[in-house]
Amino acid sequence: KNEVEQSPQNLTAQEGEFITINCSYSVGISALHWLQQHPGGGIVSLFMLSSGKKKHGRLIATINIQEKHSSLHITASHPRDSAVYICAAGGNRDDKIIFGKGTRLHILP
Amino acid sequence: KAGVTQTPRYLIKTRGQQVTLSCSPISGHRSVSWYQQTPGQGLQFLFEYFSETQRNKGNFPGRFSGRQFSNSRSEMNVSTLELGDSALYLCASNLAGGLSYNEQFFGPGTRLTVL
Repeated sequence: KNEVEQSPQNLTAQEGEFITINCSYSVGISALHWLQQHPGGGIVSLFMLSSGKKKHGRLIATINIQEKHSSLHITASHPRDSAVYICAAGGNRDDKIIFGKGTRLHILP
Repeated sequence: KAGVTQTPRYLIKTRGQQVTLSCSPISGHRSVSWYQQTPGQGLQFLFEYFSETQRNKGNFPGRFSGRQFSNSRSEMNVSTLELGDSALYLCASNLAGGLSYNEQFFGPGTRLTVL
């Protein structure tokens, strides 16, 4: 079993839909990171959180430490949100980052 | 401020050769970390350098090595290339060192193809 699991692996939705991507992890963490990767490879850090909820524009990230689960939500999705979303657990024992396999999101106009 | 830069952007090598990749962090950032991304394994942590010292290392063979210079620029070297080393190699920088609790700023990556 992978230490960081994401679901779904692929997601296609219509513009305007509410999107949820889930991440479960089995390691103790200092922080949970959400990253966005567009075609071409560049990665942007969206959120880093260790408790509660963070919001940036149409993106919301939540984390439940007891359940070792995090979600990334996109409200009013847009075709420019099409990308791969990766969650990553920052380990609190060894300060290493373990990545999920990513969720490929495609928003249709 | 300029972002993280990586050179070269694309590279083709043959099995058995060695390769050196370069990463220049954001000005003022002292930590540089390296990652390998493949379709099968996804993103994997290679190593982190902070103030010219390797601070942390992932589970890669000794063929993968790196170093950091006094200006925080970092190089990664892969010796005796294998077909399986074909991947996108990404570097990231952060201000203070430490991966799990610091926001990472990623470069565009170097796409290495081994023939």
